Amino acid sequence: GDSVTQMEGPVTLSEEAFLTINCTYTATGYPSLFWYVQYPGEGLQLLLKATKADDKGSNKGFEATYRKETTSFHLEKGSVQVSDSAVYFCALSDSGGSYIPTFGRGTSLIVHP
Amino acid sequence: DTGVSQDPRHKITKRGQNVTFRCDPISEHNRLYWYRQTLGQGPEFLTYFQNEAQLEKSRLLSDRFSAERPKGSFSTLEIQRTEQGDSAMYLCASSSSGGSLETQYFGPGTRLLVL
Repeated sequence: GDSVTQMEGPVTLSEEAFLTINCTYTATGYPSLFWYVQYPGEGLQLLLKATKADDKGSNKGFEATYRKETTSFHLEKGSVQVSDSAVYFCALSDSGGSYIPTFGRGTSLIVHP
Repeated sequence: DTGVSQDPRHKITKRGQNVTFRCDPISEHNRLYWYRQTLGQGPEFLTYFQNEAQLEKSRLLSDRFSAERPKGSFSTLEIQRTEQGDSAMYLCASSSSGGSLETQYFGPGTRLLVL
C-alpha cells in the first residue's frame, strides 16, 4: 500500500538557518503530494502541495518539489523563524477519486532565537 | 467561512462508556473525513462521506466505531464500549468538489482520554 517516510525529529535550528525536512513516498499510480503544518494547540493546515512530477509547491517561504525519479518531496526554507516551530507532516493523496491521504509520522521543528 | 469545528474539544471517559463526537464542516463542503491521531504519529484515516453517503468505512478501527452524516451537513463519530487504547485525538476535515477535493481543511480535533 501507499506509505510516506519522513525524517525523524526533532529538528532544532537557530533563527535564520536553512531548513530541510526529508520526505520519501511509495505509491501506485500518480499521487498528489502535500505538506501540512500543525502549530501547537491548533489543527493541521495545508502548507503546500504539488500534483504532478516536477511541480514545485510553495507558501510562506517554504518550498518542495515533486521528484518522481527519487520518489521524494523534501520541504525546504531558506531562513527559518521562531514562529515556524511546529510539527510538519508529509502526505500523499491517492489519484483514484477518494482523495484519502496517507500521512507520514510528522517531524517536529524547534527554532531558537 | 468559520472553518471546521469540533465538539467537544476534550473528553474524559471511563472504560466501557460510549462517547460521541461532533464535526461541523465548512458550509457547503460536500466531503467530510474522520481521522485518528495518536502521539507521535500522523493522522490515520477512518472514514469519509460525500454528502450523506458514507463511501468508505472499511478502515474504521473496529465495529465499536461508527459514523453518521444524516443530512449531509454535520457528522458524528461514536465509539461504543471505549477501551484505553481508544485514547487519541480525533480529527475531522472537509473538502469541496467545487474547489479542490484534495485540499482538506482540518478542525482542531477532539482529544479523548479513556481511564
